[in-house]
Amino acid sequence: QQQVKQSPQSLIVQKGGISIINCAYENTAFDYFPWYQQFPGKGPALLIAIRPDVSEKKEGRFTISFNKSAKQFSLHIMDSQPGDSATYFCAARKETNAGKSTFGDGTTLTVKP
Amino acid sequence: DADVTQTPRNRITKTGKRIMLECSQTKGHDRMYWYRQDPGLGLRLIYYSFDVKDINKGEISDGYSVSRQAQAKFSLSLESAIPNQTALYFCATSGPTGGANYGYTFGSGTRLTVV
Repeated sequence: QQQVKQSPQSLIVQKGGISIINCAYENTAFDYFPWYQQFPGKGPALLIAIRPDVSEKKEGRFTISFNKSAKQFSLHIMDSQPGDSATYFCAARKETNAGKSTFGDGTTLTVKP
Repeated sequence: DADVTQTPRNRITKTGKRIMLECSQTKGHDRMYWYRQDPGLGLRLIYYSFDVKDINKGEISDGYSVSRQAQAKFSLSLESAIPNQTALYFCATSGPTGGANYGYTFGSGTRLTVV
């Protein structure tokens, strides 16, 4: 049973465009929703995160949109740059479940110059 | 120095061999985790620990064991390696709930190949 479903699996965007990655979750007890960015040969790094009491969080070019009723959240990358090319993972976490995170399968983003 | 250090970075081992992957952190976090990454499958939790006396199984713990030697050190062992344990292994730490460091800090990973 996959608790966090991520789409698309891969995404190609032109430089300057908007990249959108979506995730859907099943467990309404999740209370923390982070996005991680992973470059080849590196570990994932926390990019941005949101809690379910807000609908949007923005940090620079990166925005999380959160829809609690639909149990969905998405990452928007504005003005996408070639340096944003990486694999992105969404995750969901429940503190009452020992803080363990459940990850989506990842999206490989390629930003073309 | 990196906040979370994993050794070795790469390892090739033979089927049936015992192997240990090591993780150390300088974050001062109590929570430590071992995840496995396979292509197209995201990250799956193997074991996690809240302190040296608190170790718990994750969703794919069969064939693995761990040791929390100190707050800063958390090792993963494969008692008898098999080819389907070929994967990228990550150690991660996390601060307490609600804190600024609640997200995971990952190490750079160990690429393990079992032949």
